[in-house]
Amino acid sequence: EAQVTQNPRYLITVTGKKLTVTCSQNMNHEYMSWYRQDPGLGLRQIYYSMNVEVTDKGDVPEGYKVSRKEKRNFPLILESPSPNQTSLYFCASSSRDRGPYTFGSGTRLTVV
Amino acid sequence: QKEVEQNSGPLSVPEGAIASLNCTYSDRGSQSFFWYRQYSGKSPELIMSIYSNGDKEDGRFTAQLNKASQYVSLLIRDSQPSDSATYLCAVNTIGSSNTGKLIFGQGTTLQVKP
Repeated sequence: EAQVTQNPRYLITVTGKKLTVTCSQNMNHEYMSWYRQDPGLGLRQIYYSMNVEVTDKGDVPEGYKVSRKEKRNFPLILESPSPNQTSLYFCASSSRDRGPYTFGSGTRLTVV
Repeated sequence: QKEVEQNSGPLSVPEGAIASLNCTYSDRGSQSFFWYRQYSGKSPELIMSIYSNGDKEDGRFTAQLNKASQYVSLLIRDSQPSDSATYLCAVNTIGSSNTGKLIFGQGTTLQVKP
């Protein structure tokens, strides 16, 4: 089944403890993206990647890092999480930069 | 600032009626337009794509695009309670590295009352 897989689905962590949210797609897509979704603010892009080793900042990149060492994987790294990074996170992928994107199931992150 | 705007709603329609959802965008260079449906706590699900002016129909859904007016809409005919969800308009634009990126509106919440 073609899909984007994120892990974990739920995560509660403490301020400052480094964490990684994994994302993997099995559709051989070049384009991958991370979004966060907050009430009243909608979906906002954090980072995106056009191919292996090619990434660029989205609209809200502060406090996040990404890497794209393999085509199928695009992990999101929070080096020192803070409470304002509490959010619902989605990974998405596409075969074209014009979209459309297929979304993962989401990761609900709480930073206390 | 490149933006996509939607009325947040809620838009309430009776079962069987036509629901009309609207979206405007600011980037005249946009080429791809999408409607996603999102149930509470779930991931966005693509329901319609449209790339050229005019109407595109798929079952009970019709997407309409008017690039001159920078306007895209979604019509849902014979609305069902299961259509109750948030509908996200997404528009492709050009990012800082000259590649496409998808910008989302805040979404319109649709309530279909039995």
